[in-house]
Amino acid sequence: GENVEQHPSTLSVQEGDSAVIKCTYSDSASNYFPWYKQELGKGPQLIIDIRSNVGEKKDQRIAVTLNKTAKHFSLHITETQPEDSAVYFCAAMGSWGKLQFGAGTQVVVTP
Amino acid sequence: EAGVAQSPRYKIIEKRQSVAFWCNPISGHATLYWYQQILGQGPKLLIQFQNNGVVDDSQLPKDRFSAERLKGVDSTLKIQPAKLEDSAVYLCASSLDTGVGETQYFGPGTRLLVL
Repeated sequence: GENVEQHPSTLSVQEGDSAVIKCTYSDSASNYFPWYKQELGKGPQLIIDIRSNVGEKKDQRIAVTLNKTAKHFSLHITETQPEDSAVYFCAAMGSWGKLQFGAGTQVVVTP
Repeated sequence: EAGVAQSPRYKIIEKRQSVAFWCNPISGHATLYWYQQILGQGPKLLIQFQNNGVVDDSQLPKDRFSAERLKGVDSTLKIQPAKLEDSAVYLCASSLDTGVGETQYFGPGTRLLVL
């Protein structure tokens, strides 16, 4: 089955700096890659996703890149703000329609 | 639009007791998922329903866990008897349909502590 690895497990950034989270996946058949943000006491919330026919996607301060050859994808957050502090999860979905999540990255943005 | 609703939000039980969780998906969503999220880990799929039929329950510990989605709307997840290792957040999610690229919307989860 699919295996998703996520790094780093924790990330501390100064407000205004950029944050980058990287994930790798094992199944070359995976073709949908969402990113979720989970705040304390809440369920995961989709923030951006990318499909395998696209190399990069951007939504305001958030961008995701996908390298299918290397089987890795990354989340980039620019101009970080304190409200960006949360746990971020990457995930991969293959043709079977099942989401496999990474272990999460705790992002702390300090003012 | 109302989101995915779950209850209760918190539950504390002793091992060997039983517990049940309830989920109401977003109106019109045919697919419903139950995930288990152990502290410090990503969600892990337990079971997936399409309307009232089971699509995938390969990761559900069927000796103690059961789930149903009667009438293809609300769903309940039951654990009987509970073990210490069942302490986790149980997340319910729903999507419009089943398939690659279908956005899954999560509820707030039920936090279970087994003592």
